[in-house]
Amino acid sequence: ETGVTQTPRHLVMGMTNKKSLKCEQHLGHNAMYWYKQSAKKPLELMFVYNFKEQTENNSVPSRFSPECPNSSHLFLHLHTLQPEDSALYLCASSQELAGGPLRTDTQYFGPGTRLTVL
Amino acid sequence: ILNVEQSPQSLHVQEGDSTNFTCSFPSSNFYALHWYRWETAKSPEALFVMTLNGDEKKKGRISATLNTKEGYSYLYIKGSQPEDSATYLCAFYGGSARQLTFGSGTQLTVLP
Repeated sequence: ETGVTQTPRHLVMGMTNKKSLKCEQHLGHNAMYWYKQSAKKPLELMFVYNFKEQTENNSVPSRFSPECPNSSHLFLHLHTLQPEDSALYLCASSQELAGGPLRTDTQYFGPGTRLTVL
Repeated sequence: ILNVEQSPQSLHVQEGDSTNFTCSFPSSNFYALHWYRWETAKSPEALFVMTLNGDEKKKGRISATLNTKEGYSYLYIKGSQPEDSATYLCAFYGGSARQLTFGSGTQLTVLP
């Protein structure tokens, strides 16, 4: 157990559906991340939130919409996805100094949500 | 775009064998190198964070070394056990990026 939970663990959705992925961390961290892992590709960072403010958006299409209501919860809202969006979506958290770049802080990952878009 | 390479892509060893694999990363503007262990259907688990050239870290039978001048890190597992079977990821933090850049991982299978 890393202290980071994700729900659901598996999700199948159609291209016209709207769904949300949820992440919760119980570690008292102030930075949270969404990563995507497509088949045979490295983990790719999607979004970073630091003290509930979005600090990174790696050119992610607008059909992915993150939300961070507090430092313990992170959501990824999904709408009108494409089959190529099928992937494993991982959430992570870390303790980051306010305003400082993340360099040496360990990221703690959840187990991921396996998403299939039909 | 930063290039982080891991080799080999996959590895099969017998129980009791020692093994090692490599992570290559840009040698300029280095800040930190992370190693993670990722078992199937579980969360990636942090092993080491290395920041200094020549750093050596150890956790049980697993150890890692770091050469920032030439841009590589080695991960060693001594006396591999079946429970060591996992994908081992390295991630580089450097340059002006404010994010970790991950390699594709080395998938280790330890045969009993």
